[in-house]
Amino acid sequence: DTGVSQDPRHKITKRGQNVTFRCDPISEHNRLYWYRQTLGQGPEFLTYFQNEAQLEKSRLLSDRFSAERPKGSFSTLEIQRTEQGDSAMYLCASSLWTGSTEAFFGQGTRLTVV
Amino acid sequence: GESVGLHLPTLSVQEGDNSIINCAYSNSASDYFIWYKQESGKGPQFIIDIRSNMDKRQGQRVTVLLNKTVKHLSLQIAATQPGDSAVYFCAESGGGADGLTFGKGTHLIIQP
Repeated sequence: DTGVSQDPRHKITKRGQNVTFRCDPISEHNRLYWYRQTLGQGPEFLTYFQNEAQLEKSRLLSDRFSAERPKGSFSTLEIQRTEQGDSAMYLCASSLWTGSTEAFFGQGTRLTVV
Repeated sequence: GESVGLHLPTLSVQEGDNSIINCAYSNSASDYFIWYKQESGKGPQFIIDIRSNMDKRQGQRVTVLLNKTVKHLSLQIAATQPGDSAVYFCAESGGGADGLTFGKGTHLIIQP
């Protein structure tokens, strides 16, 4: 499978715990994006990387959220001290930046904070 | 603030009929628009895109129309099939932002 891969697909955690999600983009794609989607809404942009550099962060990305892409390949999104409001689908997307922003999405990680 | 939105939350069409899903955007600086299809429990799937220097683009069974004068985008699906049932999102980028801004989605229901 050469698509965007996310792991885990589902995560249930207790409030206050830390969680980490992983995204493996399409191999030749140099841009990687994280989005959050709540039920009945469209995805909301969180942050993106070009290679290993994090170029933009949304104001939705609070201090408890951190994303990394250390070698310009896979990326991790960590949420510290989870809150119930963090419950959502976290989507990763990647694109080959040639002036087009056509992004291909993974299946997402559904986080439930109890 | 500026945002991308959709006119109808749910659209029901008969199998075999054509469907049109509409989208309004307000950021006049947007220069790239995409339609995504999202099935339950899955990530958005790219359908078709269009740049602001075009007003129409066709794909397989799908056509996207862009009217920059009234900031309106539409997705036409010809001869709808049961597999077309999903939520459809329009998204836009440009104006200095590199992430996509999504609308709330239209749920397309195909009736047999």
